[in-house]
Amino acid sequence: DAGITQSPRHKVTETGTPVTLRCHQTENHRYMYWYRQDPGHGLRLIHYSYGVKDTDKGEVSDGYSVSRSKTEDFLLTLESATSSQTSVYFCAISESTDGNTIYFGEGSWLTVV
Amino acid sequence: GESVGLHLPTLSVQEGDNSIINCAYSNSASDYFIWYKQESGKGPQFIIDIRSNMDKRQGQRVTVLLNKTVKHLSLQIAATQPGDSAVYFCAGVGAGSYQLTFGKGTKLSVIP
Repeated sequence: DAGITQSPRHKVTETGTPVTLRCHQTENHRYMYWYRQDPGHGLRLIHYSYGVKDTDKGEVSDGYSVSRSKTEDFLLTLESATSSQTSVYFCAISESTDGNTIYFGEGSWLTVV
Repeated sequence: GESVGLHLPTLSVQEGDNSIINCAYSNSASDYFIWYKQESGKGPQFIIDIRSNMDKRQGQRVTVLLNKTVKHLSLQIAATQPGDSAVYFCAGVGAGSYQLTFGKGTKLSVIP
């Protein structure tokens, strides 16, 4: 498995509370991504990063922010969690965008009640 | 943008038979495709990829075929085994894009 660690792996939180998910990689890959996976939608890109402090929005970025202060860490923050953000969140990494494989972490299960 | 989808949500095959999972895409400028396998409770796992300048690529027990004329790709699994039971996703990358676009997935069930 690619060296990707997500934390926490499972979390239950209340509506309106902030939540931060962490992705840590040991591969020194430049690109990092956050996806969410929901029934009927497959995986959808939330935000991605193409370098330290370089991030951009994906398909479903509303309600999420990200930060990347170090190559190895990519944080996803829900400033005020809503029930619609109940989902499984996957971090992914890739060495480049030139057809290089994107590897995924094991996922973080988030429930907003 | 890229749009990728799969033809069938579920597929059941007998152990030992070959499996074929199909995927269609909409963006003719897409230049890279990946097949992922996702087991329950785990992240997507890379199986095989193919670039748009190829029409076939083989791996261990898997083959991906790309038909650019009809914008279709398929994943063939030879001698399907119980361990192949999972959800399979195709994903595409549009030219000049960072973003993978995933289809919704096909659940493969292998009957012993």
